[in-house]
Order: sequence, then structure tokens, then C-alpha cells
Amino acid sequence: ELKVEQNPLFLSMQEGKNYTIYCNYSTTSDRLYWYRQDPGKSLESLFVLLSNGAVKQEGRLMASLDTKARLSTLHITAAVHDLSATYFCAAPRSGSARQLTFGSGTQLTVLP
Amino acid sequence: SAVISQKPSRDICQRGTSLTIQCQVDSQVTMMFWYRQQPGQSLTLIATANQGSEATYESGFVIDKFPISRPNLTFSTLTVSNMSPEDSSIYLCSVETRYPEAFFGQGTRLTVV
Repeated sequence: ELKVEQNPLFLSMQEGKNYTIYCNYSTTSDRLYWYRQDPGKSLESLFVLLSNGAVKQEGRLMASLDTKARLSTLHITAAVHDLSATYFCAAPRSGSARQLTFGSGTQLTVLP
Repeated sequence: SAVISQKPSRDICQRGTSLTIQCQVDSQVTMMFWYRQQPGQSLTLIATANQGSEATYESGFVIDKFPISRPNLTFSTLTVSNMSPEDSSIYLCSVETRYPEAFFGQGTRLTVV
């Protein structure tokens, strides 16, 4: 059974600082998803990482995937308040690219 | 990208009643997925709905409680039956498309009182 572990669960950081969210998954997967969720809202797709060594960047967020280590990271550079949200990683089950198992989520609060 | 519309966006229901949630996508898709997000929790897959066949339910979810219909390639419904306060959650629909992303509808926020 696929398990996805995300840490930290809660992250409070000051504006301008850098930090990394980690996502470990238990079985082989060739892709990994990152989502953002604002309170009371649905999921916003941030990144889909499709191969080992994949790196994607959008603004202050950069995601990477190491399929051998079964690890993905979401790096936040020079955080700003607008990045405050909950971030989820998700991995697909074997045989189905869209049946996703989600991590517990990281609730990020960026303080002024 | 796929545009996924869910109705209703939110509802408050009495315990013991049922609510049917609709999911409409703007293109034909093979598989549609229903997820539940309990308050403060992550998302859990309820079931997978293929057109023309019975939905496949995940462990802990049963058809009597969460009947699903999939009448065509662009539409699905999820019913939450005989509701109790523990069913208060956000229910989200997702679809499989030709794009690598996994898209989600805007969700249905259900409160059972």
C-alpha cells in the first residue's frame, strides 16, 4: 500500500526566509504532484514532476523529484505572506496515474 | 486544461438525509475520481468511476453509503446517504485527462447538522 509522508506538518516562517518541505513516498512512482490549498478552497495544481531528477520552478517555489530516494522537495525562496497556505504532495498508485494518495499537508504561515 | 464544475458548492443538511453532488467536466474523460477531505485533514480517495461500469470503492467506503453514477463521459454524481455529522467534509471530484496534471473541481463543502 502506497504511503506518502510529508513534513513538517506546520511551518511558520518569516518573510524573506527560505525553507523546504519534504515528501517521502513508500513505493515506486514515476511522478509526483504538488498542490496548494487556501482555506475553504479547492486544490490548485502547482507542479507535476514526471521523471527522476525533474526540477520545476514557479516564482518563489521550486520542486524536485528523486525517484530513487522516493523523495520530492518543495523549496520556498524568500517567502512572502501570499505564500501562506496548505501544501500537499501526492503520488499516484501503481497502474493509475490519477488515483492519488496524498500526504498530510504542510500548513505554511509566513509572518511579516 | 480540464474545467471541472461541481454542484452544489456548499450545503447544510439535516442528519439522516442524503445529498447528491454533481461533477461536470468540459471534455470526455475515461475515469473520474471522488475524494473526501475531512476538516483539517488531507484528501482520501473514495472511489473511481468509469463510464459503463460499476464504481470501484476504496477500503472504508461502501456503495450503500456513497452511491456513484457515471451516465456518460462528462458527468458523474456522488450521493452521501443517511448523513451524520461525521460526513461533514469537502468532497472533490477529479478526472483523468490527456494532460499530466490531475485537475480537481472546486469542491462541495458539506455540513451535516
